[in-house]
Amino acid sequence: DTAVSQTPKYLVTQMGNDKSIKCEQNLGHDTMYWYKQDSKKFLKIMFSYNNKELIINETVPNRFSPKSPDKAHLNLHINSLELGDSAVYFCASSGEGTKQETQYFGPGTRLLVL
Amino acid sequence: GNSVTQMEGPVTLSEEAFLTINCTYTATGYPSLFWYVQYPGEGLQLLLKATKADDKGSNKGFEATYRKETTSFHLEKGSVQVSDSAVYFCALSGPNSGGYQKVTFGTGTKLQVIP
Repeated sequence: DTAVSQTPKYLVTQMGNDKSIKCEQNLGHDTMYWYKQDSKKFLKIMFSYNNKELIINETVPNRFSPKSPDKAHLNLHINSLELGDSAVYFCASSGEGTKQETQYFGPGTRLLVL
Repeated sequence: GNSVTQMEGPVTLSEEAFLTINCTYTATGYPSLFWYVQYPGEGLQLLLKATKADDKGSNKGFEATYRKETTSFHLEKGSVQVSDSAVYFCALSGPNSGGYQKVTFGTGTKLQVIP
């Protein structure tokens, strides 16, 4: 049983296109996150939602728009893709209270913009 | 703001060698500290954690002790195996301005263990 799942696993697309990545968790967690990992493995938080409410919004271009239809899903839509968007995008989730600290990661979506 | 500094890799060791990966942090208050591991082609997974000073986290032969006086959380293993080859991330968790927990990750240290 997959705890945090992402689709697609691989995404190859042209500059200027619009694409979406989907994330679902079946852990019953209230909080979900999007991270971007660059080619040097540096991991940077982008967004976080708690019960469908945006609680963390780091300095990210407004071409990136997260959407949380319910607390088990957090999708990421990217408009006008650029070469620098190529990276691995990880979804993660965490529970309530002190359990909010431990993050459970999905397998990642490898995005390549040509 | 909070920050985590960990030693740069890659670290290459022979099987059964002793491993230390250094991690120091800067934070206000009393954060929780973590080590996550990322195997090739996978997402990160929690390796161990410690929530207060002098706590020792341990798992799969790895251990780390929360040292408040030196603001450190160094990862150690007495005898590494080839299967330990991965990228290791030190992290801390502390509240953001809205009162929610925010995790800050280090830059990761790649470990390669050769037979």
